[in-house]
This record gives sequence, structure tokens and C-alpha cells, in this order.
Amino acid sequence: GNSVTQMEGPVTLSEEAFLTINCTYTATGYPSLFWYVQYPGEGLQLLLKATKADDKGSNKGFEATYRKETTSFHLEKGSVQVSDSAVYFCALTESTGGSYIPTFGRGTSLIVHP
Amino acid sequence: NAGVTQTPKFQVLKTGQSMTLQCAQDMNHEYMSWYRQDPGMGLRLIHYSVGAGITDQGEVPNGYNVSRSTTEDFPLRLLSAAPSQTSVYFCASSSYSRGWGTEAFFGQGTRLTVV
Repeated sequence: GNSVTQMEGPVTLSEEAFLTINCTYTATGYPSLFWYVQYPGEGLQLLLKATKADDKGSNKGFEATYRKETTSFHLEKGSVQVSDSAVYFCALTESTGGSYIPTFGRGTSLIVHP
Repeated sequence: NAGVTQTPKFQVLKTGQSMTLQCAQDMNHEYMSWYRQDPGMGLRLIHYSVGAGITDQGEVPNGYNVSRSTTEDFPLRLLSAAPSQTSVYFCASSSYSRGWGTEAFFGQGTRLTVV
């Protein structure tokens, strides 16, 4: 079956530091890959996505590149802000048996201090 | 755009009580699903539906029922609440009519406490 593995948190950084959150996946087919963000007290929302190998998704200064050879989709940001404090989920979808229900990682909490 | 609407936002139940968590979407999405979120466990799929009249079990279905009589609504029923069902519940919807590269949309969540 499909699975997504994320680095465990929390990740604690100072403002303007560089961020990397690792994500690797296992899939039976050719998935689409996503990063979702959950701010305190809210639901998940899409941060960025990539649908084929070597695609780079980007949004709000965050980036992730779909690496098929290493089955990875690591999230990066060059300079984090306090407002980036949230939980980040890596996810995939693919057409396995006609079901497109997403598979999520366990989430990584990011705490950014001023 | 309302998107995905969940009600209630907060609920406290006594052990053994039953209740229904409501979820409605106005995007004409065919896929809807329910997750629970617990500390350290991420999101776990409870039940899902690929269209009106069609439902299936996810990873943790025990103690929950669902039905999908319309495209818009996907209620989650707790039959006899237990403290182990204390969690935050999220409803999500999605459409893959253009392939599986489209994202899921989530409600704001229902925080349930069973005492």
C-alpha cells in the first residue's frame, strides 16, 4: 500500500533560519505529491503540490521538488517567519483501484521564535 | 465560497451518548472523507465516500457510521461515545474528474470530548 514518512517534530527555529522538513513516500503507482499546512485551531489547507517527477511546487516562499529516484518531496524555505509556525503534512494521491483518497504523513510541527 | 462546513465546532459528550457530526460541501465534489487527528498519530481515515450512495471503511472505522444520500452531505455518527473517541475530527472533499493532481479541501474541524 501507499505510505508517507515525515521527520518527527517539533522543529524549533529562530526567525530567518533555513527550514527543511523531510518527506519520503512509498506508492504502488505514479502519485501526485502535496504539502498541506495546519495553523492553530484550523483545518488543513494546501501549501503546494507537484504532479510529476522533477516538478517543483512553490508558494509563500516554500518549495518542494518531486524526486522520483529518491521517492522524496522535501519542504524547504530560505528564511522562516514567526507566522510560519504551524503543523506541516506531506501527502500523496494516486489512482489505486479507482480511489483517490489521500495518504498523509504524521505531520511535523514547526515552531519559529522571534 | 463556503467550501467545506463542519458543525458543531466543539462538543462534549457523556460516555454512551450518540451524536452526529455534520459535514457539507458546496463544490460538487464526488469524494468526501472523515479523519480523526490525535497527538502523535497524524490524520487517520475513518470512512470515505466516492459518490452519493457509496461509502467504505478507512483505517479506524469502529464505533462510527456514515451515509451519503446526497453529493453535498456526509454526516458521521457516533453510535455510543467512548473516551477513546475524544479527538479532533476533520471532514474533507475532493474531485478528481481532471486527474489525481487536485487537492483536498478541509473543514475547520470538530473538537469532541467524551467524558
